[in-house]
Amino acid sequence: GPKVLQIPSHQIIDMGQMVTLNCDPVSNHLYFYWYKQILGQQMEFLVNFYNGKVMEKSKLFKDQFSVERPDGSYFTLKIQPTALEDSAVYFCASSQDRGYEQYFGPGTRLTVL
Amino acid sequence: SQLAEENSWALSVHEGESVTVNCSYKTSITALQWYRQKSGKGPAQLILIRSNEREKRNGRLRATLDTSSQSSSLSITATRCEDTAVYFCATDSSNTGYQNFYFGKGTSLTVIP
Repeated sequence: GPKVLQIPSHQIIDMGQMVTLNCDPVSNHLYFYWYKQILGQQMEFLVNFYNGKVMEKSKLFKDQFSVERPDGSYFTLKIQPTALEDSAVYFCASSQDRGYEQYFGPGTRLTVL
Repeated sequence: SQLAEENSWALSVHEGESVTVNCSYKTSITALQWYRQKSGKGPAQLILIRSNEREKRNGRLRATLDTSSQSSSLSITATRCEDTAVYFCATDSSNTGYQNFYFGKGTSLTVIP
């Protein structure tokens, strides 16, 4: 089936540094999402993105977070600066349209030291 | 606030038995999705059931939706060891106008050989 790729699979950085998480969504999909999952806890919605714009974001999507998809390339989540509480697995998802199945990537495990 | 919630934290069954995971949600929805997440992997959608549907099947899986009681169930028949995973329900909120799916905390299912 369709696959969403995420790069890197693991990232370890020092608190205060910037990190960019990359997502390669399914090629004909139009909606893109980021979710955060702390180990052993539920998946939590961060943001969704359509037509070059953030459509909705949750309270977890702090000012230090930003997303973009320049020229149809990777859909990225940037955190600048990082904080200890940003340590989690970040999942990217994409869907063809609203109300359609979301396909998830395998996640990027981010560890902030 | 949590919009969707599974009713059991953990279940275990013997291979070949049937099992049902239940979910309750809090707002009016346009759709509810059931996902499975295996250890170290991203979630994989099992069934998407829309608010005007009452039942949907996918092989050994059967999902029901009761909008009057704001609840859903996912039944798995003839369970196999590879069904061992965490099962999430996720709902959108028809109030948002956009497809943001909010996940429950998940039910951990163990299928015993």
